[in-house]
Amino acid sequence: EAQVTQNPRYLITVTGKKLTVTCSQNMNHEYMSWYRQDPGLGLRQIYYSMNVEVTDKGDVPEGYKVSRKEKRNFPLILESPSPNQTSLYFCASSPDRRAYEQYFGPGTRLTVT
Amino acid sequence: QQQVKQSPQSLIVQKGGISIINCAYENTAFDYFPWYQQFPGKGPALLIAIRPDVSEKKEGRFTISFNKSAKQFSLHIMDSQPGDSATYFCAASSKETSGSRLTFGEGTQLTVNP
Repeated sequence: EAQVTQNPRYLITVTGKKLTVTCSQNMNHEYMSWYRQDPGLGLRQIYYSMNVEVTDKGDVPEGYKVSRKEKRNFPLILESPSPNQTSLYFCASSPDRRAYEQYFGPGTRLTVT
Repeated sequence: QQQVKQSPQSLIVQKGGISIINCAYENTAFDYFPWYQQFPGKGPALLIAIRPDVSEKKEGRFTISFNKSAKQFSLHIMDSQPGDSATYFCAASSKETSGSRLTFGEGTQLTVNP
């Protein structure tokens, strides 16, 4: 089954404790992206990647890091999480570089206390 | 700065009625306008999309109307059903961006009462 998977689905952590949210897609897509979803703000892009070793900032990159060492994986790293990073996070992939159609993962609910 | 403004924030419609969600954009370089549908506990999924060279696109009960001069586009759901209850996001993509980016609206939570 073609899909985007994220782990963990739920995470509660404390301020300053480094964490990684994994994202993997099995569709051989070149493009991958991370979004956060907050009430009243919609989906905001954090980082995206056009291909292996090619990443770029989205609209809200502060406090996040990403890497793209393999085509299928695009982990999101929070080096020192803060409460304002409490959010619902989505990974997405797309078969085309313009990302016209994006396939989203199921989401990761992160709470930072 | 929200480049795509969506309204209303929430919408309640009776079964069989018409649901209308509106979006307005600022960037005239946007050249692709998709709508995504999100059910609770799930990620968004592409519902329907339009390019600015057409004024309307219909797929089943879902229609996008596009007004280039007003920089507005809307989603119409005809004969709304309880199964349509979800959050809907409009979005836009610009050909000018070097990367692949979608700018999303704030979302509309649609409830269709039986």
